[in-house]
Amino acid sequence: QLQLQESGPGLVKPSETLSLTCTVSGASISSSYYYWSWIRQPPGKGLEWIGGLYYSGNTYHNPSLKSRVTISVDTSKNQFSLNLSSVTAADTAVYYCARSLFSRSREVGYWGQGTLVTVSS
Amino acid sequence: QSVLTQPPSVSGAPGQRVTISCTGSSSNIGAGYDVHWYQHLPGTAPKLLIYGNSNRPSGVPDRFSGSKSGTSASLAITGLQAEDEADYYCQSYDTTVVFGGGTKLTVL
Repeated sequence: QLQLQESGPGLVKPSETLSLTCTVSGASISSSYYYWSWIRQPPGKGLEWIGGLYYSGNTYHNPSLKSRVTISVDTSKNQFSLNLSSVTAADTAVYYCARSLFSRSREVGYWGQGTLVTVSS
Repeated sequence: QSVLTQPPSVSGAPGQRVTISCTGSSSNIGAGYDVHWYQHLPGTAPKLLIYGNSNRPSGVPDRFSGSKSGTSASLAITGLQAEDEADYYCQSYDTTVVFGGGTKLTVL
């Protein structure tokens, strides 16, 4: 059974970098061409796709976040990570890591439980 | 402002049928990209309800169905139950992955 677990600081100061890691269990992150994503939900708002990658290293991100997003993969640890730089209060959200249900598609079939990250001094 | 437009809220009585629309454009739904639907209960992770416009993952009741036509898609829920009260999101692709703004379903 595939499981994803987000980890990282729950509190980040404004202008600093938010760093989260998603640990994958029950499947190898490099076993097939699945799409691994980061998605967030600010309080009281809807879901927002942050970005994603294939294990080969091809990454994609939401243009609205411009160049603040870096997504990477560590196949040796079966993890992928999110770095979001220069955070502001608007980046306060529940952050989810996720995986597509099928290879080479973008529906989100598996989700982590989510982790709340608050940006505050 | 989401690229995909959903009504902020819909409601229905138990046993009734409700539909939730997801309106896009020629650069996303109209371009042939698939639409997926999610159910999101407070405090939990979203759950995939419909993938590829009209397909249900294993375990999703057949009370939930999806359709797509032109630049829009719809999620229909029949035999409405109290536990269906949740937020629902559509998702597609438009140079990047995009979500609708979400629709809150209230079961009266």
